[in-house]
Amino acid sequence: GAVVSQHPSRVICKSGTSVKIECRSLDFQATTMFWYRQFPKQSLMLMATSNEGSKATYEQGVEKDKFLINHASLTLSTLTVTSAHPEDSSFYICSMGAAYEQYFGPGTRLTVT
Amino acid sequence: GESVGLHLPTLSVQEGDNSIINCAYSNSASDYFIWYKQESGKGPQFIIDIRSNMDKRQGQRVTVLLNKTVKHLSLQIAATQPGDSAVYFCAERVGTYKYIFGTGTRLKVLA
Repeated sequence: GAVVSQHPSRVICKSGTSVKIECRSLDFQATTMFWYRQFPKQSLMLMATSNEGSKATYEQGVEKDKFLINHASLTLSTLTVTSAHPEDSSFYICSMGAAYEQYFGPGTRLTVT
Repeated sequence: GESVGLHLPTLSVQEGDNSIINCAYSNSASDYFIWYKQESGKGPQFIIDIRSNMDKRQGQRVTVLLNKTVKHLSLQIAATQPGDSAVYFCAERVGTYKYIFGTGTRLKVLA
């Protein structure tokens, strides 16, 4: 399967600052990527669908101005958490794939102090 | 509908026993399902998949059963090993590229 990387794997930031998380495909080109958020002991919650060259589609309840998504190329999508607050602390996971395949990144642990 | 955040149920099994993990899905139109394994601090790993035109699929030590009548999916792991300890999620395909995850089950293998 495809190899998906995320950077950074862990980040600690202060409340009010912004953090950018990168999701890269190393051997797969994807027009569509997904961003998930996972709180401790909970399931993955789809945040948004990122489409290369166009605006992301956000799930209900996810603030598009807070979670900025940029899908600049077929191998790179970025998620920027703007003006982060402690309640944004979570595990953020990206995935990409085709209709019957989904390849997940290793996740990024964000801690907002 | 969308998966809601719930605390994970736990299944404890003795090493060597068989494990059965269940999942209820929400959309009767879903045509494809995947089971994932997630170890602590890592992204989900693909285990096995099944399309809606099947009711059973077997892999190495794993079997997935699909009951579309009651919208239920199960994952059976034979001869459970310590390395199987993880959280297991089912995912249903609800759009061309869109998947919704179930609540997940933590599997603990007891030595």
